[in-house]
Amino acid sequence: GAGVSQSPSNKVTEKGKDVELRCDPISGHTALYWYRQSLGQGLEFLIYFQGNSAPDKSGLPSDRFSAERTGGSVSTLTIQRTQQEDSAVYLCASSLHRVNNQPQHFGDGTRLSIL
Amino acid sequence: AQSVTQPDIHITVSEGASLELRCNYSYGATPYLFWYVQSPGQGLQLLLKYFSGDTLVQGIKGFEAEFKRSQSSFNLRKPSVHWSDAAEYFCAVVGANNLFFGTGTRLTVIP
Repeated sequence: GAGVSQSPSNKVTEKGKDVELRCDPISGHTALYWYRQSLGQGLEFLIYFQGNSAPDKSGLPSDRFSAERTGGSVSTLTIQRTQQEDSAVYLCASSLHRVNNQPQHFGDGTRLSIL
Repeated sequence: AQSVTQPDIHITVSEGASLELRCNYSYGATPYLFWYVQSPGQGLQLLLKYFSGDTLVQGIKGFEAEFKRSQSSFNLRKPSVHWSDAAEYFCAVVGANNLFFGTGTRLTVIP
């Protein structure tokens, strides 16, 4: 597609439920990133994919968070047993190659609310 | 370690006035720097980038930024602000595998 697409745009769920967030990057972009944007905390890096592998998972806040990418394209971020502190906007970005000299293009995000 | 500081949480300017948003970075080598803008409910849109070369870079929507190594700064400027520029602005520096973002500056434009 023309840009990075994320779904759903909004998700409301109860504490303790699992959620899946989807990211469809720009076609041909090999690098994919997930960030979390919490109120008053700016953007926090979660995980980076190069192709289907994730060489950097250092930002995942706990083992309740996991992500995968298939076919070098779509990525899914899964949060298990959600907690209220997981409420945030989850942003996905992609770039042509690894980040150093390539700008990242962002989707509109998924706004996650945990009741 | 890389980091970015945006000292101004919120700035209010009148429409037509000039604008400067401050950004200071911490990085050991020559940094790759970006400015992004985020409108409510939207993702981040790239305004401009600095990789090397000319220290004054031009971006979209009439924005420019100047890289000053001696001051570790990459301030964003616009000569005349439009009401549609009201948004949140993020400065970012490239790390090993991701961008490090500042906490953002919210811009309010008054008529």
